[in-house]
Amino acid sequence: AQKITQTQPGMFVQEKEAVTLDCTYDTSDPSYGLFWYKQPSSGEMIFLIYQGSYDQQNATEGRYSLNFQKARKSANLVISASQLGDSAMYFCAMRRVPGNNRKLIWGLGTSLAVNP
Amino acid sequence: DAGVIQSPRHEVTEMGQEVTLRCKPISGHNSLFWYRQTMMRGLELLIYFNNNVPIDDSGMPEDRFSAKMPNASFSTLKIQPSEPRDSAVYFCASKKAGSYEQYFGPGTRLTVT
Repeated sequence: AQKITQTQPGMFVQEKEAVTLDCTYDTSDPSYGLFWYKQPSSGEMIFLIYQGSYDQQNATEGRYSLNFQKARKSANLVISASQLGDSAMYFCAMRRVPGNNRKLIWGLGTSLAVNP
Repeated sequence: DAGVIQSPRHEVTEMGQEVTLRCKPISGHNSLFWYRQTMMRGLELLIYFNNNVPIDDSGMPEDRFSAKMPNASFSTLKIQPSEPRDSAVYFCASKKAGSYEQYFGPGTRLTVT
């Protein structure tokens, strides 16, 4: 069965420093996609970054990068130069790429607090 | 362009009452998802539609929950009768064909007393 594990319920980081949020996954599918979403205290879910299992390079979007290690089944999110506005819950999710199933499997999230 | 629109934003109701949550997806998106978020269980997919057709409703908790998508621009999630354990934030999300990301609405915070 597919599963996403986020082992860090809470993280703290100093403003302007980098932080890594862990995500490990379990799947037997040869092809899949991995996502990170941000949920600030206002409640909305904001898409951050996507990594396909066959992508040769790690995905990057501005200050966000995904450290994809396929053999270890990990897809950690790296936020560089943290800002106060990065304080939020962060969710890792996975989907099967082939077929008609657009369902995402979600982790329980990591709460990030950025200290001034 | 407007994002995903959900109404109401907050709903407080008494146990046993019917609750209807509404969602308008982003124009041009052909997949729509209903999620429920609680502290204990995290984010759970309840049901999703593709081109207005329900594809996977395995996450719908029980017969008290029903969802419809009569056209490409509107969907409802109905709970009848509501129970206190249904208290949660309900999100609607939509996705465009060929893209990866789902765009979420602001959510409806439901409290059943």
